[in-house]
Amino acid sequence: DAGVIQSPRHEVTEMGQEVTLRCKPISGHDYLFWYRQTMMRGLELLIYFNNNVPIDDSGMPEDRFSAKMPNASFSTLKIQPSEPRDSAVYFCASSLNYRDPYTFGSGTRLTVV
Amino acid sequence: AQKITQTQPGMFVQEKEAVTLDCTYDTSDPSYGLFWYKQPSSGEMIFLIYQGSYDQQNATEGRYSLNFQKARKSANLVISASQLGDSAMYFCAMREGDQGAQKLVFGQGTRLTINP
Repeated sequence: DAGVIQSPRHEVTEMGQEVTLRCKPISGHDYLFWYRQTMMRGLELLIYFNNNVPIDDSGMPEDRFSAKMPNASFSTLKIQPSEPRDSAVYFCASSLNYRDPYTFGSGTRLTVV
Repeated sequence: AQKITQTQPGMFVQEKEAVTLDCTYDTSDPSYGLFWYKQPSSGEMIFLIYQGSYDQQNATEGRYSLNFQKARKSANLVISASQLGDSAMYFCAMREGDQGAQKLVFGQGTRLTINP
């Protein structure tokens, strides 16, 4: 298995631009998670899906952030418009069930200038 | 209140020594799971070990073991015979509740440096 695949690995964008991060979970995993990692706030859960349905989006910072999972093999996290404070590493992770550990992707390092 | 507390921002250990990374947690749920992850400088998150709240024995995985003290609400990671490649950030995390609960909450991490 190729693991959780995220793209792009790095993204540099100007303030105000739309940013789309992509994730392909491990085949057969029912749960998909989006996390954000910053020095100040550590690892924060933004949103997670179960069987493509969003279950908890309480961690999404504001309306500028949106996430979708149109099918079991693909999810996107969109920021529109982006701001410098959105600069962080964004991780996607998936898991088989509630007892299993998450498998993380390699992350997307986002820089908003 | 912090759900997961890692009190050691950084630790320095000599190669081949054992090291203990501290983690305390806060929950009133009788069912929960505790996880440790390693994040090397390359940035990926690597799962190390898992302990369930109802597990009778402390978890072990190769050189990693978990010193689980339920009454004290602590789940310390023990790395035996440390190696240079163990230098990384280490995160403790907790998932509360049963099948319906999936959120993994992370501590702030401990940066471990192994000296030759």
